[in-house]
Amino acid sequence: ETGVTQSPTHLIKTRGQQVTLRCSSQSGHNTVSWYQQALGQGPQFIFQYYREEENGRGNFPPRFSGLQFPNYSSELNVNALELDDSALYLCASRPAMGLTGNTEAFFGQGTRLTVV
Amino acid sequence: GQQLNQSPQSMFIQEGEDVSMNCTSSSIFNTWLWYKQDPGEGPVLLIALYKAGELTSNGRLTAQFGITRKDSFLNISASIPSDVGIYFCALIRSGNQFYFGTGTSLTVIP
Repeated sequence: ETGVTQSPTHLIKTRGQQVTLRCSSQSGHNTVSWYQQALGQGPQFIFQYYREEENGRGNFPPRFSGLQFPNYSSELNVNALELDDSALYLCASRPAMGLTGNTEAFFGQGTRLTVV
Repeated sequence: GQQLNQSPQSMFIQEGEDVSMNCTSSSIFNTWLWYKQDPGEGPVLLIALYKAGELTSNGRLTAQFGITRKDSFLNISASIPSDVGIYFCALIRSGNQFYFGTGTSLTVIP
């Protein structure tokens, strides 16, 4: 148990719809990042939030957006879903950024999104 | 873009055997991480490496940060059935972003 919880665990959506995925970070962690993991691939970095602001983004289009709340929980929103968006979406939380050697990220179990 | 290659892609071994897998990058990095992912779970950190040439152990696991800072290996000794899973190497890029490799799938045959 990492203390990072994601909801829902599974989701089926239709192409063109919008989806919101949620993540509760581990207590004391103020940095949350989101990853997309397609079948048979490693996780791909989507973006990262630190103290409610996006402070890093991978190679994903603007229809992938997010939020971080004052309690450091986070949401990932995807608009205009495409079939290729089907994947496991992982959330990871970390303690305050910049601490020397403090690089461990704790991952949640993920949300399996299927777009049909 | 950044190339982070893992080999082998998959391994099938007998219980009790030792395992070795590696990861190479096209650029120099200062931190290498090894994660394991079980089916239906998120990745879990196994070992973190911070210095070139560093050798770190965690139980039956041993990992080394290559002297060129472009590669790392992970060894598992005396494998057991619960070692089954996918092993990922990961690097930390600017902005503390994690970049994952392609993964090595390990199957342990009892």
